[in-house]
Amino acid sequence: SYELTQPPSVSVSPGQTATITCSGDRLGDKSACWYQQKPGQSPVLVIYQSTMRPSGIPERFSGSNSGKTATLTISGTQAMDEADYYCQAWDSGTVVFGGGTKLTVL
Amino acid sequence: EVQLLDSGGGLAQPGGSLRLSCAASGLTFSSYAMSWVRQAPGKGLEWVSSISFTGVNTYYTDSVQGRFTISRDNSKNTMYLQMNSLRVEDTALYYCAKDPRAGAVAGLFFDSWGQGTLVTVSS
Repeated sequence: SYELTQPPSVSVSPGQTATITCSGDRLGDKSACWYQQKPGQSPVLVIYQSTMRPSGIPERFSGSNSGKTATLTISGTQAMDEADYYCQAWDSGTVVFGGGTKLTVL
Repeated sequence: EVQLLDSGGGLAQPGGSLRLSCAASGLTFSSYAMSWVRQAPGKGLEWVSSISFTGVNTYYTDSVQGRFTISRDNSKNTMYLQMNSLRVEDTALYYCAKDPRAGAVAGLFFDSWGQGTLVTVSS
């Protein structure tokens, strides 16, 4: 079965750039998306089709996808961005999530 | 504004059954594929099942195939998940979620989520 791998945790200082990666076999050939989940809340879509931002998502969130790796980049990270982030793709008709990355804004 | 209201969770014994519901408002429900995604306590997200906008096409993760059945009633703007032969490992918060693409035959990504309904399987 298809698997997506994320680092368990990433730390960033306020105002700096946070980078969260997601790896999977030929992921660059697929459409990836990213969700933000804060404690006690439902997930929120922040990037879809690898690079697109839904309406209402701040411009500091951006995505890329090439080769085996999709990347979520948060520029000028704010304290409110501290959350768990999940990548997601689909393969052979099934939806696959990465294990999640806890972003800590120190 | 799209609203998804999950309900039906509770405590069930191993081998027991529960039926979850997801009532939708603020959208043309019959145009969108819908899905169930679960999250075990302290764990990550896991896709469970999806259903096409018509209800004709259904998809399941391997661990629930043959035990869970997804369905929808477009006249009631409601999706269901019938969960049979429940296992301890099915314990999780179950979210319903909507694919943003009108006319999709499978839920492939999700722009709206319910608040979740907790399923606990324990003796």
